[in-house]
Amino acid sequence: AQTVTQSQPEMSVQEAETVTLSCTYDTSESNYYLFWYKQPPSRQMILVIRQEAYKQQNATENRFSVNFQKAAKSFSLKISDSQLGDTAMYFCACLSGNTPLVFGKGTRLSVIA
Amino acid sequence: DTAVSQTPKYLVTQMGNDKSIKCEQNLGHDTMYWYKQDSKKFLKIMFSYNNKELIINETVPNRFSPKSPDKAHLNLHINSLELGDSAVYFCASSPPRRYSVSYNEQFFGPGTRLTVL
Repeated sequence: AQTVTQSQPEMSVQEAETVTLSCTYDTSESNYYLFWYKQPPSRQMILVIRQEAYKQQNATENRFSVNFQKAAKSFSLKISDSQLGDTAMYFCACLSGNTPLVFGKGTRLSVIA
Repeated sequence: DTAVSQTPKYLVTQMGNDKSIKCEQNLGHDTMYWYKQDSKKFLKIMFSYNNKELIINETVPNRFSPKSPDKAHLNLHINSLELGDSAVYFCASSPPRRYSVSYNEQFFGPGTRLTVL
């Protein structure tokens, strides 16, 4: 069974600063996909960024980038130039084989003005 | 245009009642899901349907019964509601799995907050 672990229940960052959210995962599959979802107070689940395991290049979406370390099974999310609108719960998730999406327990990020 | 919609967004009911949550997607996806998010924000899969057929049924009480009249709809019916059923329920959909990650993204509905009194 696959597992996803987010070891930081809460984090805070000053506006315009950079913050990194940690995620580790475990799967026996050789091909899998990793995602970061954002859930603002509106509770809508919004996909932030995604990574295919067989791609070595780290994914980037504007101010969001990942550090994918396959051997260490680590998939951290870096948010640059943090904005107040980035305040949300962030979930790391893994999809592999025929199993459904498995989520970590989430990290609550607060951006402080 | 709403991709995945759920109704109602809020549902408040008494213990012991039966209620349904409806979900519809207009993305032409084959697979639909129900997730439960508890008070600690933990998201867990409940059911998955592919082309109207149940493919995943996690350890969920049989008071919960999903129904898929067609591949665009996946409704969740809950019998004899209990206090512990209070949560946010998310519907999601995804296209058939491919090797490109863009086909593996799940699209979530806005969620239904269920409160059992």
